[in-house]
Amino acid sequence: GENVEQHPSTLSVQEGDSAVIKCTYSDSASNYFPWYKQELGKGPQLIIDIRSNVGEKKDQRIAVTLNKTAKHFSLHITETQPEDSAVYFCAAEWRGGGSQGNLIFGKGTKLSVKP
Amino acid sequence: DAGVTQSPTHLIKTRGQQVTLRCSPKSGHDTVSWYQQALGQGPQFIFQYYEEEERQRGNFPDRFSGHQFPNYSSELNVNALLLGDSALYLCASSLVGTGGEKLFFGSGTQLSVL
Repeated sequence: GENVEQHPSTLSVQEGDSAVIKCTYSDSASNYFPWYKQELGKGPQLIIDIRSNVGEKKDQRIAVTLNKTAKHFSLHITETQPEDSAVYFCAAEWRGGGSQGNLIFGKGTKLSVKP
Repeated sequence: DAGVTQSPTHLIKTRGQQVTLRCSPKSGHDTVSWYQQALGQGPQFIFQYYEEEERQRGNFPDRFSGHQFPNYSSELNVNALLLGDSALYLCASSLVGTGGEKLFFGSGTQLSVL
């Protein structure tokens, strides 16, 4: 099956700095890679996603890059703000079950943005 | 537009008991997936329901079962609770077809087994 590794487990940055979180996956058949933000007491919120036919995608201060050959993808947050503090999860969709929606998650990165 | 709603928000049970968790999908969605999130871990796929049937299942014992109703809402049942079942249970909904892999999560049910 699919396995997703995520690094680092914790990340502390100063407000205004950039933050980068990296993930690797094992199943070359995976073709959908979402990123979720989870705040305390809440469920994961989809913040950006990318499909395997695209190498990079941007949405304001957030960008995701994908290297299918190396089987890794990264989340980049620029001009970080205190409200960006949360746990971030990467995921890869596993199609081994034959249908959509089976996401394999990394273990998460706790991002702290210091004012 | 209501998002994914789950009930109850918190639940305390003892070992050996049974529990039922409920989920209403986002308006317009037809597929419900359930995930278990242990403390400090990423969510782990339990199973998925579409057209009132279990469409795929993760690596969970058959103590975990579910149901989907004609209005697309869903229940997760866990029998013979173990201490290790303590976790946040998340429901996610989606719409089958193009973009069907895009999941929207509820806030979860925090289950504590004593």
